[in-house]
Amino acid sequence: NAGVTQTPKFQVLKTGQSMTLQCAQDMNHEYMSWYRQDPGMGLRLIHYSVGAGITDQGEVPNGYNVSRSTTEDFPLRLLSAAPSQTSVYFCASSRDPRDAFFGQGTRLTVV
Amino acid sequence: AQKVTQAQTEISVVEKEDVTLDCVYETRDTTYYLFWYKQPPSGELVFLIRRNSFDEQNEISGRYSWNFQKSTSSFNFTITASQVVDSAVYFCALSEAIQGAQKLVFGQGTRLTINP
Repeated sequence: NAGVTQTPKFQVLKTGQSMTLQCAQDMNHEYMSWYRQDPGMGLRLIHYSVGAGITDQGEVPNGYNVSRSTTEDFPLRLLSAAPSQTSVYFCASSRDPRDAFFGQGTRLTVV
Repeated sequence: AQKVTQAQTEISVVEKEDVTLDCVYETRDTTYYLFWYKQPPSGELVFLIRRNSFDEQNEISGRYSWNFQKSTSSFNFTITASQVVDSAVYFCALSEAIQGAQKLVFGQGTRLTINP
């Protein structure tokens, strides 16, 4: 979905480094979420938001922080990267909570 | 707890064959939504279909068709006359309805390879 923009597309981090994965949408979608995709495990929900100022944890929130100060942006922060966080990260947004339209993904490697 | 199982990890067929991808789900909700997504080699997730739990009619879209059966908790996806461009990883997903949040539970995915 061209309306959901994730940056960067690729990133290599050293263990212990911090970084923020960016997710932005210009469709005025209230619902946004972050998933991680690992081989053989499908996608798993990390955090989600139902609107500006409101966030909650998903299935695998440990090691990640989020905030939603605007409707457009939903950044995902890794405070101290670990090799177990090597994954492909997808951000999704929608106007209807029953839907999820995904960004292009960010491939993160932690060495 | 909700769960989605795609028992077929990999499928390989020859072009023009029909292929069915299986999806079995578990939920205690009476109202829920089921999805199929396609992930081509380029990596993006492409939305294919969403069905709600009250609509058991089969759906056909071109070469794609979906068979939803509540009695067996299954939502299978069939590609007729497969083409090389159908090669991708396909994910089935489940979402609770009316919970005010965008929360999908995904299956493990089925890697489909269509050989020329």
